Amino acid sequence: KQEVTQIPAALSVPEGENLVLNCSFTDSAIYNLQWFRQDPGKGLTSLLLIQSSQREQTSGRLNASLDKSSGRSTLYIAASQPGDSATYLCAVRNTDKLIFGTGTRLQVFP
Amino acid sequence: EAGVAQSPRYKIIEKRQSVAFWCNPISGHATLYWYQQILGQGPKLLIQFQNNGVVDDSQLPKDRFSAERLKGVDSTLKIQPAKLEDSAVYLCASSYTRGGLGSTDTQYFGPGTRLTVL
Repeated sequence: KQEVTQIPAALSVPEGENLVLNCSFTDSAIYNLQWFRQDPGKGLTSLLLIQSSQREQTSGRLNASLDKSSGRSTLYIAASQPGDSATYLCAVRNTDKLIFGTGTRLQVFP
Repeated sequence: EAGVAQSPRYKIIEKRQSVAFWCNPISGHATLYWYQQILGQGPKLLIQFQNNGVVDDSQLPKDRFSAERLKGVDSTLKIQPAKLEDSAVYLCASSYTRGGLGSTDTQYFGPGTRLTVL
């Protein structure tokens, strides 16, 4: 059974810092991995999707890497801003469904 | 383009009562998902529809939960009777095609319905 874990559970940083969020999964036979953002009272927004054959994806200040053999992914956020404050979720697809991690709650203060 | 709509946004009921949630997906999206997100956890898939047929309901507690998607558009999720452990946010999502193996088909999520069972 696939299990997805995210560390840390919560993170508070000053504006401008570069930071790394971690995601690990137990079954490396995945098809892709996605990072989502969830704002309070709102649904999830897809940030990046990495196919199993890819090593990383970039979008603006966000960079996600994937090491399928070790069952790990990282989301790198450069030059963090208060607007980045949200919960970040990773999800893996290894059947026909997404399996989500527990999320990292990020707070960026001015 | 309008997003996924859900109602109500909040609901408070007592245990053993019934409750229903409604979802209107993005126009033209064939696949609809219902997720349950308990506080501090990631979303868990309850049921997935392809048009008006069920693709996966393996994690739906069928003794108390039911869902339908008549005419392949709107969907309703019902809980009857509710238990304390059903307190969660219920998220609806839709995608253009069925998210098959290796699919890059993006799921678009609604704002969710926060259910509190007292």
